Amino acid sequence: QVQLVESGGGLVKPGGSLRLSCAASKFTFSDYDMTWIRQAPGKGLEWVSYISGSDSPIYYPDSVKGRFTVSRDNAKNSLFLQMSSLRAEDTAVYYCARAAPYCDRTRCVDAFDLWGQGTMVTVSS
Amino acid sequence: DIQMTQFPSSLSASVGDRVTITCRASQSISKYLNWYQQKPGTAPKLLIYAASSLQSGVPSRFSGSGSGTDFTLTISSVQPEDFATYYCHQSYSILSFGGGTKVEIK
Repeated sequence: QVQLVESGGGLVKPGGSLRLSCAASKFTFSDYDMTWIRQAPGKGLEWVSYISGSDSPIYYPDSVKGRFTVSRDNAKNSLFLQMSSLRAEDTAVYYCARAAPYCDRTRCVDAFDLWGQGTMVTVSS
Repeated sequence: DIQMTQFPSSLSASVGDRVTITCRASQSISKYLNWYQQKPGTAPKLLIYAASSLQSGVPSRFSGSGSGTDFTLTISSVQPEDFATYYCHQSYSILSFGGGTKVEIK
């Protein structure tokens, strides 16, 4: 069925690196912008990257800019998040989500209509 | 950056109650506001997009309203499966989420 499946989470020491993957199935992956959103234990949702279907533009919040890099391989229906210089505050469940556009007469914007199950990243010594 | 403030942060309700959650943007976002429901241990689920459009498959007891800076999510008669945390999300400028509202059983 139409789904997203994340992988690559785990335990990493502060300052370390980790690469998350998100495999998409049963939809035309290249047609959609994609995002990574994280949730620290007991906390709310925080976006950490956004990439358009054609690879550009790409956006990051200040909290991860320069440390995280999002990429995609449309031929392999896959989304990636390369995380480096990891900190304890990066500990969270990381979700990939599909950005479904909706448009009115003035602009098109997104809602996240499909989410993966999440992968846990723990940064601890 | 656009800040999204949700209130209350939590509420208690009985089955059958009408529940209203508010989300306020730090600047006008027109109607580019979405609502999600999240149950413990699961990913968020899209309920409402464009402030008032019901996502396919979502029960009609959920409704959204508002434009500009003030938005509401209403559950007309809360059911046992609706006890969850709800988040608003603005997609007017990049993106940002509200802090969440936890709806608990009274």
